Amino acid sequence: QVQLVESGGGVVQPGRSLRLSCAASGFTFRSYAMHWVRQAPGKGLEWVAIISYDGSSKYYADSVKGRFTISRDNPKNTLYLQMNSLRAEDTAVYYCAREEPLDPDAFDIWGQGTTVTVSS
Amino acid sequence: SSELTQDPAVSVALGQTVRITCQGDSLRKYYASWYQQKPGQAPVVVIYGKNNRPSGIPDRFSGSSSGNTASLTITGAQAEDEADYYCNSRDSSGIPLYVFGSGTKVTVL
Repeated sequence: QVQLVESGGGVVQPGRSLRLSCAASGFTFRSYAMHWVRQAPGKGLEWVAIISYDGSSKYYADSVKGRFTISRDNPKNTLYLQMNSLRAEDTAVYYCAREEPLDPDAFDIWGQGTTVTVSS
Repeated sequence: SSELTQDPAVSVALGQTVRITCQGDSLRKYYASWYQQKPGQAPVVVIYGKNNRPSGIPDRFSGSSSGNTASLTITGAQAEDEADYYCNSRDSSGIPLYVFGSGTKVTVL
């Protein structure tokens, strides 16, 4: 079945780096734009970044621009989020999500999330 | 960047109708999509585009839009509809940046 599985979360000190992965299965990964969305504890959803189907275009929320990098490896069916210079306010559950095939502005498939905690 | 405003909470009696609204300038140009999130779970899309329901979403969920306001209506709310609901749209600039509303907690009484 269509599935996204995130991994790579954990506890990290402020200023350090972490790379998240999102393994896709059950669909043609290389055909879809992909997103990262996060949710701080007890808070709402925050869009983080998007990458086009071929990796040629990337856009970021202002809150992470210059610190986070979204990338993908289509032969490996995997999406990544490289997070550098982490701050306490980056503590959140991070979800990867697929672009809805009939509406590029919607997200139709979500992973279960991976938790990132930034703390000394 | 764009902002989307939602009421923090709304309650509805079992079997009755509830409308959740989302306001923002970007909604004059782009449709909202709506996501249901239950505690400890990932969001699930319930409405996207003009008024499209993904497979498996009950037809009691519907969407509409007018001016700068998008609405999600649950007609005949069920106990299992109790959840947080978030709207989302593209930024009004047209660049593929996205924004979520602050979320509405729906309580079914």
